[in-house]
Amino acid sequence: AQSVTQPDARVTVSEGASLQLRCKYSYSGTPYLFWYVQYPRQGLQLLLKYYSGDPVVQGVNGFEAEFIKSNSSFHLRKASVHWSDSAVYFCAVSQNSGGSNYKLTFGKGTLLTVTP
Amino acid sequence: EAAVTQSPRSKVAVTGGKVTLSCHQTNNHDYMYWYRQDTGHGLRLIHYSYVADSTEKGDIPDGYKASRPSQENFSLILELASLSQTAVYFCASSDPHREGTGQLYFGEGSKLTVL
Repeated sequence: AQSVTQPDARVTVSEGASLQLRCKYSYSGTPYLFWYVQYPRQGLQLLLKYYSGDPVVQGVNGFEAEFIKSNSSFHLRKASVHWSDSAVYFCAVSQNSGGSNYKLTFGKGTLLTVTP
Repeated sequence: EAAVTQSPRSKVAVTGGKVTLSCHQTNNHDYMYWYRQDTGHGLRLIHYSYVADSTEKGDIPDGYKASRPSQENFSLILELASLSQTAVYFCASSDPHREGTGQLYFGEGSKLTVL
């Protein structure tokens, strides 16, 4: 079975500082990996995705993530955070079990707070 | 304009009562999902569907039923609501064949409180 671990439930950074949110996955096949963001009182929105190829993928608003297969990790990074980045961030892995089944398994999320 | 809309957005139910959460999408997507969100658990998949008139069990289906009467509509039904079902419920849709696996579009959530 697939699973995702986000070891940090809360992260606080100062505006303008760099950011890394950690994600480790467990999956027996070739993983499809995702980061979603949830702003207050909203649904989740896709930030970026990795299917194959270049292990560093770019997303919206300056976010990027790097797939490191040897470490089973897919950490999210941003060079300089803004107060508007405060949100809950979810890492997810997709299962393609064949046929018409497409399921997304989410981590528990990391609450990011950006302070002035 | 929101492409996935949920109703009600908030509901208080009594233990043992029946609750129906509704979801409507205008994305023309075949796949629809119901997730629940709990603090400390993230999102967990309850039921999903990839075609009208058919539903599939997700990871935590116990205590829930689902109904997909049309491509656009997907309901989550709690026949006998329990305290443990207090959570925020999210509906989502996707089209993995056109947009790739994992591109889900979420509604804004339905907050259910069972007393």
